[in-house]
Amino acid sequence: AQKITQTQPGMFVQEKEAVTLDCTYDTSDQSYGLFWYKQPSSGEMIFLIYQGSYDEQNATEGRYSLNFQKARKSANLVISASQLGDSAMYFCAMRDRGSNYKLTFGKGTLLTVNP
Amino acid sequence: DTGVSQDPRHKITKRGQNVTFRCDPISEHNRLYWYRQTLGQGPEFLTYFQNEAQLEKSRLLSDRFSAERPKGSFSTLEIQRTEQGDSAMYLCASSGTSGRARSTDTQYFGPGTRLTVL
Repeated sequence: AQKITQTQPGMFVQEKEAVTLDCTYDTSDQSYGLFWYKQPSSGEMIFLIYQGSYDEQNATEGRYSLNFQKARKSANLVISASQLGDSAMYFCAMRDRGSNYKLTFGKGTLLTVNP
Repeated sequence: DTGVSQDPRHKITKRGQNVTFRCDPISEHNRLYWYRQTLGQGPEFLTYFQNEAQLEKSRLLSDRFSAERPKGSFSTLEIQRTEQGDSAMYLCASSGTSGRARSTDTQYFGPGTRLTVL
């Protein structure tokens, strides 16, 4: 069964606007962690933000914030004030008790920021 | 701060040849992971080390694949008798129990090795 679902293969946003990238997950564990990574065309996976299942507040890191809705099992990434350099693939990933330490990734969303 | 490094960045080989990739993790990290990423997909887990012990291997890791992490430092991933289906990006990541990401055990990735099998 697919654990991470990213339903948006591609998204477009105008420079300086905000954009939301969707991610839903599936786990029966109570303790889990959710991650977002950015992958530019160079290929390196860059860690952006982390949300723990027991965290009471949504995670924020600079222009990145995570809209965590536990009951809906969603962990959407919000990028505010988009920049041209934000154009990249974005991956949502999860680690739960059943997966030991390994991450399970979604298929990704290709974000294009237009000037 | 020195990040995760991988060598080589690109490798082109002929079918049937053996290839070896190297990963140097962040120095204080005790966990090291290998993932494989094919076009249009997210990374898929291959194997994981804690210090020098290989604790888990994916079913994706056939008998032609072997990974080592001698002395719990750098790691190598070897593919024997390469096949065209092995063409992919091979990503290495490390995580640890110290520093800023201690509580989250966040994995930090290297730049990857892109393998092309002709």
